[in-house]
Amino acid sequence: DIVVTQSPDSLAVSLGERATINCKSSQSLLHSSHNKNYLAWYQQKPGQPPQLFIYWASTRDSGVPDRFSGSGSGTDFTLTVSSVQAEDVAVYYCQQYYDTPYTFGQGTKLEIK
Amino acid sequence: EVHLVESGGGLVQPGGSLRLSCAASGFTFNIYWMHWVRQVPGKGPVWVSRISTDGSSTSFADSVKGRFTISRDNAKNTVYLQMNSLRVEDTAVYYCARVAAGYDYWGRGTQVTVSS
Repeated sequence: DIVVTQSPDSLAVSLGERATINCKSSQSLLHSSHNKNYLAWYQQKPGQPPQLFIYWASTRDSGVPDRFSGSGSGTDFTLTVSSVQAEDVAVYYCQQYYDTPYTFGQGTKLEIK
Repeated sequence: EVHLVESGGGLVQPGGSLRLSCAASGFTFNIYWMHWVRQVPGKGPVWVSRISTDGSSTSFADSVKGRFTISRDNAKNTVYLQMNSLRVEDTAVYYCARVAAGYDYWGRGTQVTVSS
């Protein structure tokens, strides 16, 4: 199975400051045939299912604020929130969908300092 | 608007069975693979099972292989998860999810509790 590891486990950031979450995969998620990374990011708030925020490592889903961005390729990826707002408090997960079982990172809890 | 609605969860004793359903609406159901994912509170989601568009291809996590089956009825826009020989460690919220690039839509989940 592909192991996906996130860091840090939790992150406290002041309002308006930048937050960065890292995700590392045990094998490359870059599919050579069409040069896409099979990596997604989700936001989950209490009592709700995860919500897709980023797919193909860097494509924002519809309605996701542009302060959220994804980057990286191969085995190393990053989710950046350029200016954290109060409504961004949540747990963020990365997920590989390169191969089954689709595996998730352990999650990063974003809080306001 | 896309909707996925899970049902069928509940409290069951170890060794018991449950059948979960996921009713889909708002999209062309028979062109999407569907997955089941479970999550224990405070933990990350874990993939359970998947089924192809026509139901001919299925796969399962090792932890549920031989105990769970997945099926779909495209006429009813519904995917099912039959869970047998349930164990305490199967306790979780079970979600169905539509597969695009990642899971673009999730249901709100149904709670499964396995306890004596």
